[in-house]
Amino acid sequence: GQNIDQPTEMTATEGAIVQINCTYQTSGFNGLFWYQQHAGEAPTFLSYNVLDGLEEKGRFSSFLSRSKGYSYLLLKELQMKDSASYLCAVRDGDYKLSFGAGTTVTVRA
Amino acid sequence: IAGITQAPTSQILAAGRRMTLRCTQDMRHNAMYWYRQDLGLGLRLIHYSNTAGTTGKGEVPDGYSVSRANTDDFPLTLASAVPSQTSVYFCASSDSRGGHNEQFFGPGTRLTVL
Repeated sequence: GQNIDQPTEMTATEGAIVQINCTYQTSGFNGLFWYQQHAGEAPTFLSYNVLDGLEEKGRFSSFLSRSKGYSYLLLKELQMKDSASYLCAVRDGDYKLSFGAGTTVTVRA
Repeated sequence: IAGITQAPTSQILAAGRRMTLRCTQDMRHNAMYWYRQDLGLGLRLIHYSNTAGTTGKGEVPDGYSVSRANTDDFPLTLASAVPSQTSVYFCASSDSRGGHNEQFFGPGTRLTVL
């Protein structure tokens, strides 16, 4: 099975940087995903890591360390529209995803 | 349409009734999934299908059944609904034949069982 942990809530100021950590213990690993989910909406894909290191995509970056079972999502130059839940998900060898409970980020003016 | 659709958007159902949630995608993705999302628990996989004609059980399959008669449609059936099945249900699809294989999610169905 999969055990995926991420903080429940985080608050940051507009323009600041926030780092959301995710730790996992899994029986198989075939990539780690981050999704964004606004209240009342569907999750949308943000980033994917399968090798160790940093993947950068505009204001968002994601890091993976497979040996430590650890990932983080970095959100830079925070905007009010970044207020949402961020979901960490690990994929097993059968292409099934296991999700963490999500981290709710609140951006304050 | 483009993407993945679900119906109904929301539903209030009496306990013991049968209910089918519909999901259709037009991306020709081979894999499809059903999740439920509950506060504090995140998304949990109910059933999945890697290709038309095949299905598999996820983490929380009890009380639910699925079928995959063709590539586009993946209905989820609650044979006899119970209050603990009150949740938001998301359908998703992915193309497992290349790339990141990220899953694309439908808009969700909010189901209340009384």
